[in-house]
Amino acid sequence: QQQVKQSPQSLIVQKGGISIINCAYENTAFDYFPWYQQFPGKGPALLIAIRPDVSEKKEGRFTISFNKSAKQFSLHIMDSQPGDSATYFCAASSNYQLIWGAGTKLIIKP
Amino acid sequence: DSGVTQTPKHLITATGQRVTLRCSPRSGDLSVYWYQQSLDQGLQFLIQYYNGEERAKGNILERFSAQQFPDLHSELNLSSLELGDSALYFCASSVAGAIHNEQFFGPGTRLTVL
Repeated sequence: QQQVKQSPQSLIVQKGGISIINCAYENTAFDYFPWYQQFPGKGPALLIAIRPDVSEKKEGRFTISFNKSAKQFSLHIMDSQPGDSATYFCAASSNYQLIWGAGTKLIIKP
Repeated sequence: DSGVTQTPKHLITATGQRVTLRCSPRSGDLSVYWYQQSLDQGLQFLIQYYNGEERAKGNILERFSAQQFPDLHSELNLSSLELGDSALYFCASSVAGAIHNEQFFGPGTRLTVL
């Protein structure tokens, strides 16, 4: 019940396309859902986060869609650019511990 | 640059040995988190300290221990090392102890156990 399932494991998208990464959770007590971006050789960095009282949050080309009833949330990257190539992690939490998805390696082809 | 520093950057040691990883949080951050990232895997939360006290514990082995000192830097001690402990170890810090506070990650320490 503490798991966060992330898919796909890897994703290749053409430049200018839309990248979509999905996550699902079981624990209804989770109330904070961040997405982190990690470049090779670096630590993860917070990209965008959402609380379950909203269904969507947009920051620039990045959007989180949240479906509370389905216990799913997803990251959409519009107009994907080669610089977006990185590993993306979703996470969820209700207390002091973030439960992380396994990560999605995103490659944007020029 | 997140402002979180970790030393050393790389560490190579043998099975059975003990190592200490060091983390300095961002200036003003009171909370420190430790994570383990194995090859091609996600992050496993190990432990969190807030202002010198243990706040939360994750999947941390009994062979591992950590502490946060009065100057807020933290150390992760790994003992009786096994091959399977080879991984990237990240430290993160946040301004307070609440989980919705953004965590800022350091560059990591790559541990190789031979």
